[in-house]
Amino acid sequence: AQSVTQLDSHVSVSEGTPVLLRCNYSSSYSPSLFWYVQHPNKGLQLLLKYTSAATLVKGINGFEAEFKKSETSFHLTKPSAHMSDAAEYFCVVSPGPFGNEKLTFGTGTRLTIIP
Amino acid sequence: GAGVSQSPSNKVTEKGKDVELRCDPISGHTALYWYRQSLGQGLEFLIYFQGNSAPDKSGLPSDRFSAERTGGSVSTLTIQRTQQEDSAVYLCASSLGQGQGMINTEAFFGQGTRLTVV
Repeated sequence: AQSVTQLDSHVSVSEGTPVLLRCNYSSSYSPSLFWYVQHPNKGLQLLLKYTSAATLVKGINGFEAEFKKSETSFHLTKPSAHMSDAAEYFCVVSPGPFGNEKLTFGTGTRLTIIP
Repeated sequence: GAGVSQSPSNKVTEKGKDVELRCDPISGHTALYWYRQSLGQGLEFLIYFQGNSAPDKSGLPSDRFSAERTGGSVSTLTIQRTQQEDSAVYLCASSLGQGQGMINTEAFFGQGTRLTVV
């Protein structure tokens, strides 16, 4: 079985300051991990993905995430927040290639940017 | 088509009526997911298809909900005797698939069907 925990339901940062959205996972296999973003009244968009290549993954809009197996974490970061980053962010875990389990979503982190 | 297509985009129905929501996945994607998102809430898993079979339907809220997938492509989510608490955005996603040595790729989401039960 697999699970994913987003440690903060709501994060607020000032514009221009760093962003950190935390995600921990549990999986029986070597997982694939993803971050999705959902802007208000919009669909879900893939930000970045980790699939057992480089542990530091760069995504769109300046976001990146680092896969740390020893800590079972996949935290999302951005050096400098922009107003347009205000959205809901979901961490997702997918099992390794021999599993038959569904994608598992975290409960989401709502990011608010303070002007 | 180029992406996941869901229809209708909006549906208003009277309490007690049945509704059908359709999802056209990306061609060649063997995995298909249905999720529900209520206002201001996260994603609630409903059911997952691998091909035409559903290894996991644990998220269906009640026996009023059912889903099928035919030809390994189009899926239909049916809600019978709709209730006001069924009002939500219903999201469909597809991915290349899992198992048989395939590397998992990301899921691509449709724009959703906004269901309002009045």
